[in-house]
Amino acid sequence: KAGVTQTPRYLIKTRGQQVTLSCSPISGHRSVSWYQQTPGQGLQFLFEYFSETQRNKGNFPGRFSGRQFSNSRSEMNVSTLELGDSALYLCASSLGTSANTGELFFGEGSRLTVL
Amino acid sequence: GENVEQHPSTLSVQEGDSAVIKCTYSDSASNYFPWYKQELGKGPQLIIDIRSNVGEKKDQRIAVTLNKTAKHFSLHITETQPEDSAVYFCAASILWDSGGYQKVTFGTGTKLQVIP
Repeated sequence: KAGVTQTPRYLIKTRGQQVTLSCSPISGHRSVSWYQQTPGQGLQFLFEYFSETQRNKGNFPGRFSGRQFSNSRSEMNVSTLELGDSALYLCASSLGTSANTGELFFGEGSRLTVL
Repeated sequence: GENVEQHPSTLSVQEGDSAVIKCTYSDSASNYFPWYKQELGKGPQLIIDIRSNVGEKKDQRIAVTLNKTAKHFSLHITETQPEDSAVYFCAASILWDSGGYQKVTFGTGTKLQVIP
Protein backbone atom coordinates (compact mmCIF):
# COMPACT_ATOMS: atom_id res chain seq x y z
CA LYS A 1 0.00 0.00 0.00
CA ALA A 2 1.55 3.30 -1.09
CA GLY A 3 2.06 5.91 1.62
CA VAL A 4 1.32 9.62 1.56
CA THR A 5 3.14 11.32 -1.30
CA GLN A 6 4.10 14.97 -1.23
CA THR A 7 5.53 16.98 -4.10
CA PRO A 8 7.80 18.76 -4.54
CA ARG A 9 10.15 17.63 -1.79
CA TYR A 10 12.29 20.76 -1.91
CA LEU A 11 11.75 24.20 -3.34
CA ILE A 12 13.23 27.65 -3.12
CA LYS A 13 11.20 30.80 -3.65
CA THR A 14 11.72 34.51 -3.15
CA ARG A 15 9.67 36.89 -1.05
CA GLY A 16 6.42 37.93 -2.67
CA GLN A 17 6.09 34.81 -4.82
CA GLN A 18 3.47 32.15 -4.32
CA VAL A 19 3.81 28.40 -4.00
CA THR A 20 1.57 25.37 -4.44
CA LEU A 21 2.27 22.09 -2.67
CA SER A 22 0.60 18.81 -3.51
CA CYS A 23 -0.37 15.81 -1.39
CA SER A 24 -1.69 12.41 -2.47
CA PRO A 25 -3.19 10.53 0.50
CA ILE A 26 -3.21 6.80 1.12
CA SER A 27 -5.79 5.11 -1.08
CA GLY A 28 -9.17 5.10 0.66
CA HIS A 29 -8.31 7.94 3.03
CA ARG A 30 -10.70 10.84 2.70
CA SER A 31 -9.25 13.25 5.25
CA VAL A 32 -6.15 15.29 4.48
CA SER A 33 -4.60 17.74 6.92
CA TRP A 34 -1.63 20.06 6.59
CA TYR A 35 0.96 21.10 9.16
CA GLN A 36 3.79 23.60 9.20
CA GLN A 37 6.90 22.42 11.03
CA THR A 38 9.58 24.86 12.15
CA PRO A 39 12.39 24.40 14.69
CA GLY A 40 10.96 26.99 17.04
CA GLN A 41 7.23 26.31 16.79
CA GLY A 42 7.05 22.58 16.27
CA LEU A 43 4.06 21.22 14.34
CA GLN A 44 1.39 23.83 13.70
CA PHE A 45 -2.00 22.81 12.28
CA LEU A 46 -2.98 24.62 9.08
CA PHE A 47 -6.24 23.00 7.94
CA GLU A 48 -8.04 19.74 7.33
CA TYR A 49 -10.14 18.70 4.35
CA PHE A 50 -12.69 15.93 4.13
CA SER A 51 -14.70 15.14 1.00
CA GLU A 52 -13.56 18.37 -0.68
CA THR A 53 -14.72 20.52 2.28
CA GLN A 54 -12.55 22.31 4.79
CA ARG A 55 -13.54 20.80 8.12
CA ASN A 56 -11.01 22.44 10.47
CA LYS A 57 -8.79 25.47 10.26
CA GLY A 58 -5.79 26.60 12.29
CA ASN A 59 -4.66 30.10 13.15
CA PHE A 60 -2.81 31.07 9.99
CA PRO A 61 -3.36 34.18 7.85
CA GLY A 62 -5.49 34.09 4.73
CA ARG A 63 -2.33 33.83 2.58
CA PHE A 64 -2.45 30.12 3.40
CA SER A 65 -5.19 28.27 1.56
CA GLY A 66 -5.95 24.78 0.45
CA ARG A 67 -8.33 22.60 -1.44
CA GLN A 68 -9.19 18.97 -1.92
CA PHE A 69 -10.19 17.25 -5.12
CA SER A 70 -12.77 14.53 -5.67
CA ASN A 71 -10.01 11.88 -5.63
CA SER A 72 -8.97 13.14 -2.14
CA ARG A 73 -5.71 14.63 -3.41
CA SER A 74 -5.05 17.98 -1.80
CA GLU A 75 -3.09 21.11 -2.55
CA MET A 76 -2.09 23.99 -0.36
CA ASN A 77 -1.13 27.40 -1.58
CA VAL A 78 0.83 30.17 0.08
CA SER A 79 0.65 33.58 -1.57
CA THR A 80 2.89 36.60 -1.08
CA LEU A 81 5.61 34.55 0.55
CA GLU A 82 7.46 35.91 3.57
CA LEU A 83 10.81 34.86 5.00
CA GLY A 84 8.99 33.36 8.00
CA ASP A 85 7.15 30.93 5.75
CA SER A 86 10.33 28.91 5.37
CA ALA A 87 9.44 25.56 6.90
CA LEU A 88 8.74 21.90 6.33
CA TYR A 89 5.12 21.48 5.24
CA LEU A 90 3.71 18.11 6.19
CA CYS A 91 0.60 16.50 4.86
CA ALA A 92 -1.22 13.76 6.76
CA SER A 93 -4.08 11.54 5.76
CA SER A 94 -6.59 9.50 7.72
CA LEU A 95 -9.79 7.62 7.01
CA GLY A 96 -11.92 10.43 8.38
CA THR A 97 -14.90 8.13 8.80
CA SER A 98 -16.34 6.23 11.76
CA ALA A 99 -13.71 3.55 11.14
CA ASN A 100 -10.99 6.08 11.84
CA THR A 101 -8.62 5.06 14.63
CA GLY A 102 -7.32 8.60 14.98
CA GLU A 103 -3.93 7.79 13.47
CA LEU A 104 -2.49 10.34 11.10
CA PHE A 105 -0.27 9.02 8.30
CA PHE A 106 2.31 11.64 7.39
CA GLY A 107 4.19 12.20 4.17
CA GLU A 108 7.87 13.13 4.19
CA GLY A 109 7.08 16.79 3.68
CA SER A 110 7.88 19.61 1.30
CA ARG A 111 10.75 21.80 2.48
CA LEU A 112 10.18 25.40 1.45
CA THR A 113 12.94 27.97 1.63
CA VAL A 114 12.03 31.62 1.09
CA LEU A 115 14.90 33.95 0.20
CA GLY B 1 -8.06 26.52 22.20
CA GLU B 2 -5.99 23.55 23.22
CA ASN B 3 -2.45 24.08 24.49
CA VAL B 4 0.02 21.20 24.85
CA GLU B 5 3.29 21.57 26.73
CA GLN B 6 6.03 18.98 26.43
CA HIS B 7 9.13 18.39 28.55
CA PRO B 8 12.04 17.96 28.31
CA SER B 9 13.04 19.43 24.96
CA THR B 10 16.16 17.24 24.85
CA LEU B 11 16.95 13.99 26.63
CA SER B 12 20.11 11.90 26.59
CA VAL B 13 20.12 8.41 28.07
CA GLN B 14 22.51 5.49 28.10
CA GLU B 15 21.53 2.48 26.05
CA GLY B 16 19.43 0.16 28.19
CA ASP B 17 18.16 2.92 30.48
CA SER B 18 14.58 4.20 30.52
CA ALA B 19 13.35 7.47 29.05
CA VAL B 20 10.30 9.44 30.16
CA ILE B 21 8.69 12.34 28.30
CA LYS B 22 5.87 14.33 29.87
CA CYS B 23 3.08 16.42 28.39
CA THR B 24 0.27 18.53 29.80
CA TYR B 25 -2.85 19.70 28.00
CA SER B 26 -5.39 22.39 28.74
CA ASP B 27 -8.71 21.38 27.15
CA SER B 28 -10.60 18.92 29.34
CA ALA B 29 -12.69 17.95 26.28
CA SER B 30 -9.66 16.34 24.59
CA ASN B 31 -10.12 12.58 24.44
CA TYR B 32 -7.35 11.28 22.19
CA PHE B 33 -3.62 11.46 22.95
CA PRO B 34 -1.18 10.08 20.37
CA TRP B 35 2.59 9.98 20.42
CA TYR B 36 4.58 10.33 17.22
CA LYS B 37 8.23 9.55 16.46
CA GLN B 38 10.01 11.54 13.77
CA GLU B 39 13.30 10.31 12.39
CA LEU B 40 15.61 12.58 10.46
CA GLY B 41 14.26 13.42 7.01
CA LYS B 42 10.96 11.62 7.56
CA GLY B 43 7.45 12.51 8.56
CA PRO B 44 6.18 11.69 12.07
CA GLN B 45 4.93 8.16 12.65
CA LEU B 46 2.47 7.04 15.32
CA ILE B 47 4.07 4.82 17.95
CA ILE B 48 1.32 4.60 20.55
CA ASP B 49 -1.90 6.36 21.50
CA ILE B 50 -4.38 6.42 24.35
CA ARG B 51 -8.02 7.36 24.71
CA SER B 52 -9.38 9.28 27.66
CA ASN B 53 -11.26 6.25 29.01
CA VAL B 54 -7.99 4.38 29.58
CA GLY B 55 -5.32 5.14 32.18
CA GLU B 56 -2.41 3.19 30.74
CA LYS B 57 -1.44 1.37 27.57
CA LYS B 58 1.64 -0.72 26.79
CA ASP B 59 3.17 -1.99 23.59
CA GLN B 60 6.38 -3.95 24.17
CA ARG B 61 8.99 -1.43 25.40
CA ILE B 62 6.69 1.57 25.07
CA ALA B 63 3.96 2.65 27.48
CA VAL B 64 1.77 5.71 27.86
CA THR B 65 -0.02 6.84 31.01
CA LEU B 66 -2.83 9.37 31.25
CA ASN B 67 -4.04 11.35 34.26
CA LYS B 68 -7.23 13.11 33.21
CA THR B 69 -7.65 14.91 36.50
CA ALA B 70 -4.24 16.52 36.29
CA LYS B 71 -4.44 16.79 32.49
CA HIS B 72 -1.09 15.19 31.85
CA PHE B 73 0.18 12.17 30.00
CA SER B 74 3.60 10.58 29.70
CA LEU B 75 5.56 8.34 27.36
CA HIS B 76 7.80 5.70 28.88
CA ILE B 77 10.43 3.85 26.85
CA THR B 78 12.24 1.03 28.62
CA GLU B 79 15.49 -0.70 27.62
CA THR B 80 16.31 2.07 25.17
CA GLN B 81 18.22 1.24 22.01
CA PRO B 82 20.19 3.48 19.61
CA GLU B 83 17.37 3.19 17.07
CA ASP B 84 15.07 4.92 19.56
CA SER B 85 17.03 8.14 18.91
CA ALA B 86 14.58 10.53 17.25
CA VAL B 87 12.27 13.45 18.00
CA TYR B 88 9.10 12.50 19.86
CA PHE B 89 5.89 14.54 19.76
CA CYS B 90 2.90 14.25 22.02
CA ALA B 91 -0.48 15.52 20.84
CA ALA B 92 -4.04 16.05 22.00
CA SER B 93 -7.29 16.23 20.10
CA ILE B 94 -11.02 15.52 20.24
CA LEU B 95 -11.80 12.43 18.20
CA TRP B 96 -15.45 12.24 17.22
CA ASP B 97 -17.43 9.02 16.82
CA SER B 98 -17.96 10.00 13.18
CA GLY B 99 -14.22 9.62 12.62
CA GLY B 100 -13.54 13.30 12.33
CA TYR B 101 -11.51 15.22 14.82
CA GLN B 102 -11.01 18.67 16.14
CA LYS B 103 -7.59 19.91 15.10
CA VAL B 104 -4.66 18.00 16.54
CA THR B 105 -2.44 20.12 18.78
CA PHE B 106 1.14 18.93 19.07
CA GLY B 107 3.73 19.49 21.76
CA THR B 108 7.00 21.13 20.76
CA GLY B 109 8.91 17.85 20.64
CA THR B 110 11.61 16.03 22.60
CA LYS B 111 14.88 15.12 20.94
CA LEU B 112 15.92 11.79 22.44
CA GLN B 113 19.51 10.64 22.10
CA VAL B 114 20.38 7.11 23.15
CA ILE B 115 24.10 6.77 23.75
CA PRO B 116 25.55 3.33 22.94
